[in-house]
Amino acid sequence: SAVISQKPSRDICQRGTSLTIQCQVDSQVTMMFWYRQQPGQSLTLIATANQGSEATYESGFVIDKFPISRPNLTFSTLTVSNMSPEDSSIYLCSVVGTTDTQYFGPGTRLTVL
Amino acid sequence: QKEVEQNSGPLSVPEGAIASLNCTYSDRGSQSFFWYRQYSGKSPELIMFIYSNGDKEDGRFTAQLNKASQYVSLLIRDSQPSDSATYLCAVTRDYGQNFVFGPGTRLSVLP
Repeated sequence: SAVISQKPSRDICQRGTSLTIQCQVDSQVTMMFWYRQQPGQSLTLIATANQGSEATYESGFVIDKFPISRPNLTFSTLTVSNMSPEDSSIYLCSVVGTTDTQYFGPGTRLTVL
Repeated sequence: QKEVEQNSGPLSVPEGAIASLNCTYSDRGSQSFFWYRQYSGKSPELIMFIYSNGDKEDGRFTAQLNKASQYVSLLIRDSQPSDSATYLCAVTRDYGQNFVFGPGTRLSVLP
């Protein structure tokens, strides 16, 4: 399985600011995804990060709020823009490699005050 | 709308017993099925995947798939307190994408 790291692991931010979360994989992967998981809830897919092109967003998520970059096959960033307390959540990066199995990074715990 | 359903629990079993976790899905075209374990405050960890009808065993874990009934289950034999976690079922029809996750079942193994 791929080894996935995320930075930062947690952060506390002020309302109206933005935070960029980084996801790094130790090997080239075909697919990278960003999820959000609110306390006690299941996973909600935000978008698929596409290498070299715009991300594919799920219903309810827009590029202006959650811009995503994926410059190569091992790295992606998710920015949470103009944050509000409702954005407090755990943000998870996941990858799919040569099999169709999905693996998750350790997550970023975001608190917005 | 593609859905995956699980009992939210909590499911409580005594230590040493068999824990049975169930998952149903609505998309008949689903091809791949996954079970993840998530400890509180941690990210989901893959336990098992299954593609074909029948049983697949890995240590104390057995995944069972019945595509005709659109049902997949996870059995945990000799349950331990360390198995206490939320178990997520995930399903996809497309290779490596469009995963649909269930809400998860919280398992509590009582010592």
